[in-house]
Amino acid sequence: NAGVMQNPRHLVRRRGQEARLRCSPMKGHSHVYWYRQLPEEGLKFMVYLQKENIIDESGMPKERFSAEFPKEGPSILRIQQVVRGDSAAYFCASSPRGIEVGSGNTIYFGEGSWLTVV
Amino acid sequence: AQSVTQPDIHITVSEGASLELRCNYSYGATPYLFWYVQSPGQGLQLLLKYFSGDTLVQGIKGFEAEFKRSQSSFNLRKPSVHWSDAAEYFCAVGGNNDMRFGAGTRLTVKP
Repeated sequence: NAGVMQNPRHLVRRRGQEARLRCSPMKGHSHVYWYRQLPEEGLKFMVYLQKENIIDESGMPKERFSAEFPKEGPSILRIQQVVRGDSAAYFCASSPRGIEVGSGNTIYFGEGSWLTVV
Repeated sequence: AQSVTQPDIHITVSEGASLELRCNYSYGATPYLFWYVQSPGQGLQLLLKYFSGDTLVQGIKGFEAEFKRSQSSFNLRKPSVHWSDAAEYFCAVGGNNDMRFGAGTRLTVKP
């Protein structure tokens, strides 16, 4: 049973270009979470999606960032017109259902996508 | 709002010494708590988790953590550190449809 798959693992973009990061959740998982890890900082929640729906995007920057999780295919985190400050590791996680206290449910992380903006 | 604080940014211990990484949380309801480890350039691996029941939880790689509600803490411990334990450790608190992480503690192991 494959885990959460993220690609590309490493991506280099010039300032002003677009970055697209893909996340295929574990089989049977319909909930996806994106986190960003900036150098010397912890993991910051960005967005929580279910199939075709954005449930919580309170951690997403207001501009240039968007996320989707279509009915078919992987979840995509899209960053338009990248700037140097976007350089970070972006982690995707998935769970079979929404995390509910006491449910014993756990989210599973991918290995991350490292974005470098030059 | 829920939050997690890891007071120690960087800790150095000698190989074979004991380890304790601190984690304090703020959460309005019954939390559930996690510790993850991240090796350089790697993803996150779950070490252990607490949902309910026994407040001392055992994890992989010889780690354990103790939930103390009165202190809002969930500290990670290991009796004898190995050089391969050098990594970044993240504490996380979760609630309904959400999970928040601390800033991480970087562990260096001296020979």
